Amino acid sequence: EAQVTQNPRYLITVTGKKLTVTCSQNMNHEYMSWYRQDPGLGLRQIYYSMNVEVTDKGDVPEGYKVSRKEKRNFPLILESPSPNQTSLYFCASGTSGPPYYNEQFFGPGTRLTVL
Amino acid sequence: AQSVTQLGSHVSVSEGALVLLRCNYSSSVPPYLFWYVQYPNQGLQLLLKYTSAATLVKGINGFEAEFKKSETSFHLTKPSAHMSDAAEYFCAATNTGFQKLVFGTGTRLLVSP
Repeated sequence: EAQVTQNPRYLITVTGKKLTVTCSQNMNHEYMSWYRQDPGLGLRQIYYSMNVEVTDKGDVPEGYKVSRKEKRNFPLILESPSPNQTSLYFCASGTSGPPYYNEQFFGPGTRLTVL
Repeated sequence: AQSVTQLGSHVSVSEGALVLLRCNYSSSVPPYLFWYVQYPNQGLQLLLKYTSAATLVKGINGFEAEFKKSETSFHLTKPSAHMSDAAEYFCAATNTGFQKLVFGTGTRLLVSP
């Protein structure tokens, strides 16, 4: 089954404790991205990757890191989480350019609470 | 910078009534446009997309959207609402370099019996 998987689905942590949210896709997509969803703000892009070893900042990259060492994986790293990073996080993958025009497939989400 | 505006954070309809969710984009060049649906505790699922092939786009679950360049709009409609349509709906546009999807703030559809 074609899918994007994220782990963990739920995470409660404390300020300053480093954490990693994993993301994996099995559709051989070049493009992957991380978003955060907050009430009233929709989805905002954190980082994206156009291909292996190619990453770039989205709209809200502060406090986050990513890496893309393999095509299928795109982990999101919070080196020192703070309460304002409490949010619902989505990983997505897709194919940029025609005929898909960056249609993206989303994972189930990771709900993060930072105390 | 491109932006997407969804009018109405909440829309309420009765079962069987017309569903109309509004989306306007801001771009000097018509973008590629998408509607996604998010059911409770789930990720986003693609409903339909506009890629300039046809201005009226049909999607899954009986939804369709019409691209109107003169109005910079891409409103989502469904002739008859069903209880299972209750969800949050997001309009999105891709930028010209295809590096990102820009999302609207979402519209929650409530369907009453």
